Amino acid sequence: DGGITQSPKYLFRKEGQNVTLSCEQNLNHDAMYWYRQDPGQGLRLIYYSQIVNDFQKGDIAEGYSVSREKKESFPLTVTSAQKNPTAFYLCASTLEGSSYNEQFFGPGTRLTVL
Amino acid sequence: AQSVTQLDSQVPVFEEAPVELRCNYSSSVSVYLFWYVQYPNQGLQLLLKYLSGSTLVESINGFEAEFNKSQTSFHLRKPSVHISDTAEYFCAVSDRSSNTGKLIFGQGTTLQVKP
Repeated sequence: DGGITQSPKYLFRKEGQNVTLSCEQNLNHDAMYWYRQDPGQGLRLIYYSQIVNDFQKGDIAEGYSVSREKKESFPLTVTSAQKNPTAFYLCASTLEGSSYNEQFFGPGTRLTVL
Repeated sequence: AQSVTQLDSQVPVFEEAPVELRCNYSSSVSVYLFWYVQYPNQGLQLLLKYLSGSTLVESINGFEAEFNKSQTSFHLRKPSVHISDTAEYFCAVSDRSSNTGKLIFGQGTTLQVKP
């Protein structure tokens, strides 16, 4: 089955800790995206990558970092610099990054800061 | 720059009643338009999209949306809803001239179908 997997499903973090969220896809998609979802605010773009070893900041990149060492993988690190990290995080991918292509989403990771 | 406004945060409706979820957008460039659906604690799934041609687009599960360029709207409708349609619905746009695939999402509308 082709798709996007995210792990873990739930993640708890103490203040001051960095955590890394995993995102893997076996769809052979070129472009991958990370979104943050908060109630009543829709989805906001954190980072995106259109090709291996290259990525760009989205609208709310501060306090986050990413890497794209393999086409299939796009991990997101939530650093201690992120002031309010508790949220639902969604990873997505699309075939070429063209604006008409559907984005396919993973099931999400819910991060809670204790 | 683009922005998307979903005019209702929650829409309660009884089963088998019609429903309309409203979406307006603002953009200085031509856009593609999308509706995504999110069931509880899951990712988003594409419901339907408008790229070109007929301004009325349909999904396989009975939803339809109409692109109105003059009113910059893309409202989602269903003539008769089911309990299983309970979910959050997101309207989104992308810049036609962009090669990044970036989507701009609205705030979401929660559809609550009551028996």
